[in-house]
Amino acid sequence: AQSVTQLDSHVSVSEGTPVLLRCNYSSSYSPSLFWYVQHPNKGLQLLLKYTSAATLVKGINGFEAEFKKSETSFHLTKPSAHMSDAAEYFCVVSEKLGGYNKLIFGAGTRLAVHP
Amino acid sequence: DVKVTQSSRYLVKRTGEKVFLECVQDMDHENMFWYRQDPGLGLRLIYFSYDVKMKEKGDIPEGYSVSREKKERFSLILESASTNQTSMYLCASSLGLAGGGNEQFFGPGTRLTVL
Repeated sequence: AQSVTQLDSHVSVSEGTPVLLRCNYSSSYSPSLFWYVQHPNKGLQLLLKYTSAATLVKGINGFEAEFKKSETSFHLTKPSAHMSDAAEYFCVVSEKLGGYNKLIFGAGTRLAVHP
Repeated sequence: DVKVTQSSRYLVKRTGEKVFLECVQDMDHENMFWYRQDPGLGLRLIYFSYDVKMKEKGDIPEGYSVSREKKERFSLILESASTNQTSMYLCASSLGLAGGGNEQFFGPGTRLTVL
């Protein structure tokens, strides 16, 4: 079975500084990986996804993630944090169950951005 | 844009009541899902449906049932609500049984409190 570990439950950064949210996965084959973001009182929104194309994936709002098979990692980064980035972020791996793709969610990382 | 709507943003019910949570999507998606979200646990799959009148158990189906009479609508039913079902409930939809990388689109969530 596949699993996802988000290494930090909370991350706090200052506005304008880089963001790093860490994610490790376990998978028996080449996985599909996603990052979703959830702003307060909102549903989940897809930030970016990796599906075995380029290992560096660019998403919305200046976020990007790099798939590193040797490290089984899919860390999310952004060069410069903005106040509006404060939210909860979920790393997700897709698991094949017959013809259906099940999403396995990490526990989430809450990002705080300070002025 | 895909839109997934949920019937209520906030709901308060009493122990033992029968509770219906409704979800509607407007993009003709085959797959629909119900998750519950609890702090520190990420999202856990309750039930999903890959076609009208079809349903499959997820990871935590106990205490829940579902109904899908029309393609666009997927209902979650708590037969006899209990306090440990107090949670945020999220509905999602996605395209059909294609290969990995299918994005799921989420509704805004229903925060259910059972007293």
